[in-house]
Amino acid sequence: AQSVTQPDIHITVSEGASLELRCNYSYGATPYLFWYVQSPGQGLQLLLKYFSGDTLVQGIKGFEAEFKRSQSSFNLRKPSVHWSDAAEYFCAVGFQKLVFGTGTRLLVSP
Amino acid sequence: SQTIHQWPATLVQPVGSPLSLECTVEGTSNPNLYWYRQAAGRGLQLLFYSVGIGQISSEVPQNLSASRPQDRQFILSSKKLLLSDSGFYLCAWSARSRGGETQYFGPGTRLLVL
Repeated sequence: AQSVTQPDIHITVSEGASLELRCNYSYGATPYLFWYVQSPGQGLQLLLKYFSGDTLVQGIKGFEAEFKRSQSSFNLRKPSVHWSDAAEYFCAVGFQKLVFGTGTRLLVSP
Repeated sequence: SQTIHQWPATLVQPVGSPLSLECTVEGTSNPNLYWYRQAAGRGLQLLFYSVGIGQISSEVPQNLSASRPQDRQFILSSKKLLLSDSGFYLCAWSARSRGGETQYFGPGTRLLVL
């Protein structure tokens, strides 16, 4: 069955520190991969996506993600977190229909 | 540029009442359209998707239905709401592409069934 695992429900990071959010997936073939961010009460905003090619992809707001086929992972990273990055982050995989992880809530401490 | 609208933003309905949520997309034609439900701690669940007018695929059996009366309009309905229908409903669109499709989401509708 197709599934996406985001093992961390909550993560707290100090402002200015680095961030890594984990995402592992199970899929029949190598799917397209996405990270979305959601602020409270709002829709999802696309951060970045991987379709093919370079396995390190750059997104908006200084985020990047690396696709590792051998580990079936697509972890999201940011070198220096800002207070405005506090939100919920969703990893999603698929082609036309997406499978979403349950999300990781990022808290940023001063 | 493309924009996606959903309304209402918030809705409180009694159990057993009907439901109609609307989603419209501007700035594109022939989009694929999606309805998702988001429950706390459970991510997003795909409810329906549509590749064209009148073409609806249901992903999970439920108390809801969807319709696409126009190319850029997608409606989520129910004849009788259940308590379990409460949640945050998100509409999304994607442009058809052989090279990979990206879904873009609307602002969502929060539904509370009492």
